[in-house]
Formats: sequence, structure tokens, C-alpha cells
Amino acid sequence: KAGVTQTPRYLIKTRGQQVTLSCSPISGHRSVSWYQQTPGQGLQFLFEYFSETQRNKGNFPGRFSGRQFSNSRSEMNVSTLELGDSALYLCASSFQGQGTYGYTFGSGTRLTVV
Amino acid sequence: QKEVEQNSGPLSVPEGAIASLNCTYSDRGSQSFFWYRQYSGKSPELIMSIYSNGDKEDGRFTAQLNKASQYVSLLIRDSQPSDSATYLCAAVIIQGAQKLVFGQGTRLTINP
Repeated sequence: KAGVTQTPRYLIKTRGQQVTLSCSPISGHRSVSWYQQTPGQGLQFLFEYFSETQRNKGNFPGRFSGRQFSNSRSEMNVSTLELGDSALYLCASSFQGQGTYGYTFGSGTRLTVV
Repeated sequence: QKEVEQNSGPLSVPEGAIASLNCTYSDRGSQSFFWYRQYSGKSPELIMSIYSNGDKEDGRFTAQLNKASQYVSLLIRDSQPSDSATYLCAAVIIQGAQKLVFGQGTRLTINP
């Protein structure tokens, strides 16, 4: 059974650009959550999608957005990149969502903003 | 007050000893708790889940939950150098919209 797949693994972007990250959940999982991980702030919740609907959103500015497709694949977009957006972005999938039974994480996308 | 708090460490334990990791949470209504292990440069991996008060054992790992004290712990018996990693405590927070919230993590080093 394939795990959670995130692409790309690494990205380098310039301040002011935008970026789109992709996540394919485990087959059969309907929930996809996104987290940002930095050394200073740890793992912070961005948002969760379930059956193409955003179910919850963390305390991030509107520059951070996402969506989920009918096949449960999800994309996350960050517009007008800032240096502080440099982080590891992790996608996590589960069948039920809302963290009830834990998540399986992908390998992450390491974003560097210069 | 942070929703999930851990001792940031680092914690250093000799090989073969018991490593004890602690975590507290703020939402008294939380029902689901997890421990993740994260090796350097890797993504978090779920190692234990606990939902009821008391102890839950899985091999060398024991998770303990005390809802009255809002306290979760992880014990690692017979610690091995391969246990060296950052351990993340997570709780499902139900205040507001339900979500899984992580602590800052505790870096554990097992010394041979």
C-alpha cells in the first residue's frame, strides 16, 4: 500500500513569488491535513480537507490556501512568499480526519525562500 | 498557555535505561492522544496512541494517560541508540473546530 506522497521534495523560491505543493493521500483516505514545521514554532496546523471541503483552518494569513480534488489529492498554495515561509511543509492523511485516530505523514516538501 | 506542552529537552539517557517523556495539554475535553517519533531530516512517524486513562504497552514503549491531571507520558524501556530522535506529543483539541495539535517535541539522545 503506497504511503502519502508529496511533491516536490525541495523547492527554492524568491520572495514575492507563489508556490503550489501537492499531496496524494493513502488510497481510501478522505482527509488531508497540512502542517508547517519550523525549528522555532514546531509543527503548526494549516488546514484540513475532507471530501473536497475545508473542515478546519489554523492561524495563518490568507496567503496560505488549499484545495482538495475528487480523488482526495490536495494542493496547498502560498502566494507572495516571505522569507519566514521557509519551512518543511508536511501533508498528513487519514480515513476519518480531525485527528481522531492519528495521521500518516508524507515525507514533506522543504521550501526555501530567498 | 500552549495547547500541548512538552519539555523541550534535550534529554540524554544511557543505553539500556528507561527514557521518560512528558506532555501536558490544556483542553479538558481532549480524548485522543498520540506520540510520534521524528528522526532528523525525516517526517513524523506514529508510534503510540492512547484514548483511556492508564497505561498502554507496545513492546518497549508504554504510553500513560491521566485525564484528571491532563498529562500524557511515554516510557521507553531498554533504550537503544536507534531510539535517538525527537518525540512529539499530540492531542486532538476539540475547543473550536477539532484538530490535531502537536507539542514542540523533546529531543532524546541514547548514549552507548
